[in-house]
Amino acid sequence: GNSVTQMEGPVTLSEEAFLTINCTYTATGYPSLFWYVQYPGEGLQLLLKATKADDKGSNKGFEATYRKETTSFHLEKGSVQVSDSAVYFCALNYNQGGKLIFGQGTELSVKP
Amino acid sequence: DTAVSQTPKYLVTQMGNDKSIKCEQNLGHDTMYWYKQDSKKFLKIMFSYNNKELIINETVPNRFSPKSPDKAHLNLHINSLELGDSAVYFCASSHGGGEKLFFGSGTQLSVL
Repeated sequence: GNSVTQMEGPVTLSEEAFLTINCTYTATGYPSLFWYVQYPGEGLQLLLKATKADDKGSNKGFEATYRKETTSFHLEKGSVQVSDSAVYFCALNYNQGGKLIFGQGTELSVKP
Repeated sequence: DTAVSQTPKYLVTQMGNDKSIKCEQNLGHDTMYWYKQDSKKFLKIMFSYNNKELIINETVPNRFSPKSPDKAHLNLHINSLELGDSAVYFCASSHGGGEKLFFGSGTQLSVL
């Protein structure tokens, strides 16, 4: 079936460190891929997305590239800030209807 | 104004009780969702409504009954609450079966 697997957290980094959160997926067909972010006490927000192979989604300094050959959509940021501390969710949508399938979430904690 | 608002924010109740969670969106979206997030942050869709019509109904106990009086509201009623129902419940909305979901801030349900 369709599924998303993320690296386990929590991930703890110092401010200005480089961030990578791994995400791989299993899907039939060609899904769209997403990263959502959940700040403490809030609902999820769309961070970025990519709809086809080799697309790069980017927003707020975060990037992720849709890699069909490795079925991956890793999230990266060159220099994290304390305000980036949150839980990050990788997700896929393999048909219409908004039925997003989420990974298990990766908690990021950035220390000053 | 909050785009997707759900009430209450916290709900503590005894096993066997019946409770409701309300959700309203003022974004003009025609599709609304309920997601359940467990203690490990794993997020799973429960229901989806489009223009008051049930579109997605995942494998959820029939103790859970969603109701959509109009396309701006989607309420969740839970009968005979069980310990395993303890979770954070998120309401979300989107335009059509769109991939960009807007989430509420969640309802933390604790069943004692």
